Amino acid sequence: DSGVTQTPKHLITATGQRVTLRCSPRSGDLSVYWYQQSLDQGLQFLIQYYNGEERAKGNILERFSAQQFPDLHSELNLSSLELGDSALYFCASSVGQSVQETQYFGPGTRLLVL
Amino acid sequence: GDSVTQMEGPVTLSEEAFLTINCTYTATGYPSLFWYVQYPGEGLQLLLKATKADDKGSNKGFEATYRKETTSFHLEKGSVQVSDSAVYFCALSDWNTGRRALTFGSGTRLQVQP
Repeated sequence: DSGVTQTPKHLITATGQRVTLRCSPRSGDLSVYWYQQSLDQGLQFLIQYYNGEERAKGNILERFSAQQFPDLHSELNLSSLELGDSALYFCASSVGQSVQETQYFGPGTRLLVL
Repeated sequence: GDSVTQMEGPVTLSEEAFLTINCTYTATGYPSLFWYVQYPGEGLQLLLKATKADDKGSNKGFEATYRKETTSFHLEKGSVQVSDSAVYFCALSDWNTGRRALTFGSGTRLQVQP
């Protein structure tokens, strides 16, 4: 158990819909990262937050957005969903003090868009 | 940009065989290097890491040495077990660019047969 929690574990929805994925980081971690794992794209970085502020963006679509709340949990919002958005979405957390530090991953949310 | 290249899988071995999974990287700065493992139906777990040249990371019988001259971080284990069957990801974070998000390789599936 990494200490990072993600809900829900599975999500099935239809094209055009909007969903919200939730992540709670490990106690004491200020940094939250979101990654997408798909068969064709592999593991890709989407976005990072540090202590409530957006820190870095990766290959995140404009239809996707995220935020980190004062209690440090984070939500990833996916809208106007397409079939190609079906993937495993991981959240990871770290202390946020050094680039050499370890990121700890949650169990992921498996999204299926029908 | 930064990239990580891993050997194609699946790698199929008999129990107690020697394992090598090759990983090479391209980075503009001086990256930290990681191996993560993903067991079926689970999230990613850190297996080992190395943050400077010639460092050796080790955990659970797995080892990898940071080779700056060959830009490599090959994963090895002397005697694999059935329980090692999983997907292994090589990853980096780049110190000089300040990119704290992980750049992953495509993953190598290991199947160990009894």
